[in-house]
Amino acid sequence: DVKVTQSSRYLVKRTGEKVFLECVQDMDHENMFWYRQDPGLGLRLIYFSYDVKMKEKGDIPEGYSVSREKKERFSLILESASTNQTSMYLCASSLFAGYTFGSGTRLTVV
Amino acid sequence: AQSVTQLDSQVPVFEEAPVELRCNYSSSVSVYLFWYVQYPNQGLQLLLKYLSGSTLVKGINGFEAEFNKSQTSFHLRKPSVHISDTAEYFCAVSDAVQGAQKLVFGQGTRLTINP
Repeated sequence: DVKVTQSSRYLVKRTGEKVFLECVQDMDHENMFWYRQDPGLGLRLIYFSYDVKMKEKGDIPEGYSVSREKKERFSLILESASTNQTSMYLCASSLFAGYTFGSGTRLTVV
Repeated sequence: AQSVTQLDSQVPVFEEAPVELRCNYSSSVSVYLFWYVQYPNQGLQLLLKYLSGSTLVKGINGFEAEFNKSQTSFHLRKPSVHISDTAEYFCAVSDAVQGAQKLVFGQGTRLTINP
């Protein structure tokens, strides 16, 4: 089975900090995605990548950036964390149709 | 652009009763359709998917869904639910043609099973 690992389950950061969320997959998948999940809003796509060093904006990229230097790793960066970025962040990877998700990182910005 | 509407935000059901979670989508192109389940404090797990072929799709844990192209629906059903089915369920759609296979998700339906 494909495994997608997110480095932290829970994070608490201060407003203005630079925050890195890491995601690693072990099955050589081309595509990787970052979503945020908020109650009543479902999952919203922040950024995705379909190859190393390639990235595309999703629906809500403002305040975020990403890095994909190696195929297996896709990092989400909050340049200057704000309280409205408190959320559950989910990473996923895919080869064709359908995703495999990580367990999520619940980020709280205080 | 594609969109997904899950018609019920919460569905309470008694144990061993049948359940249907409703999902409608809009798209101008051919689609793939998915249902995911999220248990508390976990990521999302694939329940089932429709790519092509038979419109009735069977998934894990006794769930099934039927693709209805004319009604642009993909409703999820289970004939008899268990306490362990308590979770949040997400319907999702992707473009069947475009690469990268971005998924668009519905808002989720919280299924609560009462004893």
